[in-house]
Amino acid sequence: AQSVSQHNHHVILSEAASLELGCNYSYGGTVNLFWYVQYPGQHLQLLLKYFSGDPLVKGIKGFEAEFIKSKFSFNLRKPSVQWSDTAEYFCAVTHASGGSYIPTFGRGTSLIVHP
Amino acid sequence: GAGVSQTPSNKVTEKGKYVELRCDPISGHTALYWYRQSLGQGPEFLIYFQGTGAADDSGLPNDRFFAVRPEGSVSTLKIQRTERGDSAVYLCASSSPGNREQYFGPGTRLTVT
Repeated sequence: AQSVSQHNHHVILSEAASLELGCNYSYGGTVNLFWYVQYPGQHLQLLLKYFSGDPLVKGIKGFEAEFIKSKFSFNLRKPSVQWSDTAEYFCAVTHASGGSYIPTFGRGTSLIVHP
Repeated sequence: GAGVSQTPSNKVTEKGKYVELRCDPISGHTALYWYRQSLGQGPEFLIYFQGTGAADDSGLPNDRFFAVRPEGSVSTLKIQRTERGDSAVYLCASSSPGNREQYFGPGTRLTVT
């Protein structure tokens, strides 16, 4: 069974600081990778995804993530965070084939950005 | 367009009671997923529908949990003899045919007292 680890459970930053949230997964096959975000009071929404091709993926709101296959990692980055980035961030992994694309989620990272 | 909707948004019930949670997916989305999210955790898969049939129900924790999708659109998650440990946010997501992206609803917060 695959698993997803998000090592940072709580992160507190000041505005303009750089952000990197770790995500590691355990699965030997081909994977699809996702980062979801949940803003306070809102539902989960897709931030960015990786299916194939360029391992550096650009998402919405200035976020990016890099897939490093040898490290089984898909870390999320943003060079300069804003107060509005305060949210829960979830990394998710699915098998790249099989049809069901049922994701396994990490436990999430709570990000608080102070103005 | 309309997103995934879930009703009720909050449900408080007593231990031992029966509850139904409803999910209305995005129109045209054939795949529908139910998840459970406990406090401080990520969503945990429960069941996946492709059309009307449950293609994978391996995540249902026990036989008190059941879900249906009789017409391939709206789905209902049913929990019998609720226990305090069932308290969580129940999320629904849908996706279009062949699409690996899922669109999530706002969830139903279930509290069992």
